[in-house]
Amino acid sequence: NAGVTQTPKFQVLKTGQSMTLQCAQDMNHNSMYWYRQDPGMGLRLIYYSASEGTTDKGEVPNGYNVSRLNKREFSLRLESAAPSQTSVYFCASSEAGVLSNQPQHFGDGTRLSIL
Amino acid sequence: DAKTTQPPSMDCAEGRAANLPCNHSTISGNEYVYWYRQIHSQGPQYIIHGLKNNETNEMASLIITEDRKSSTLILPHATLRDTAVYYCIVLLSFNDMRFGAGTRLTVKP
Repeated sequence: NAGVTQTPKFQVLKTGQSMTLQCAQDMNHNSMYWYRQDPGMGLRLIYYSASEGTTDKGEVPNGYNVSRLNKREFSLRLESAAPSQTSVYFCASSEAGVLSNQPQHFGDGTRLSIL
Repeated sequence: DAKTTQPPSMDCAEGRAANLPCNHSTISGNEYVYWYRQIHSQGPQYIIHGLKNNETNEMASLIITEDRKSSTLILPHATLRDTAVYYCIVLLSFNDMRFGAGTRLTVKP
């Protein structure tokens, strides 16, 4: 998945700890997205950023915050991790905004376990 | 409120065409049909998308029925590396993009 880079690839946290998941894209895309994937649930949108300087809630935003640091980077923060946030997190980007028909490109994910 | 229906699993012989169906009977006139796939432990990979006309790229072909209520993704010469979960998605905007359960395609030697 060239173009969208996520760090870290794996992380284990204790309940109540905080951490930030990093995402960067080098395709000069305007829009960026954070998803979580749980068994049997498909991907669910957490937050998205239609363009630099804007962020909006998706389907499951509770317990998360995001920052669109610049056009390239979009981070996801867990302020106080809970076991229910154990999941695989994917970052994605697309060229021309949420209403464009240009496809999203995904990173390889961050596997997060909350004990 | 799933917008698409796909068979949970399919098998295909290596070298043969894989035809993956998708029903989207409630699709609206300006919603696109997208196909992605996810190979184990990797992020979803874009394959192809279309609105009304059939589309072809280096990976696959997309056949959309005239009434747009269903579509078929065709991998013309499946290889073992095409084994993955394939997702059919209809949407107007990416802030409403939801992946369902998809079809698990197994390509067999």
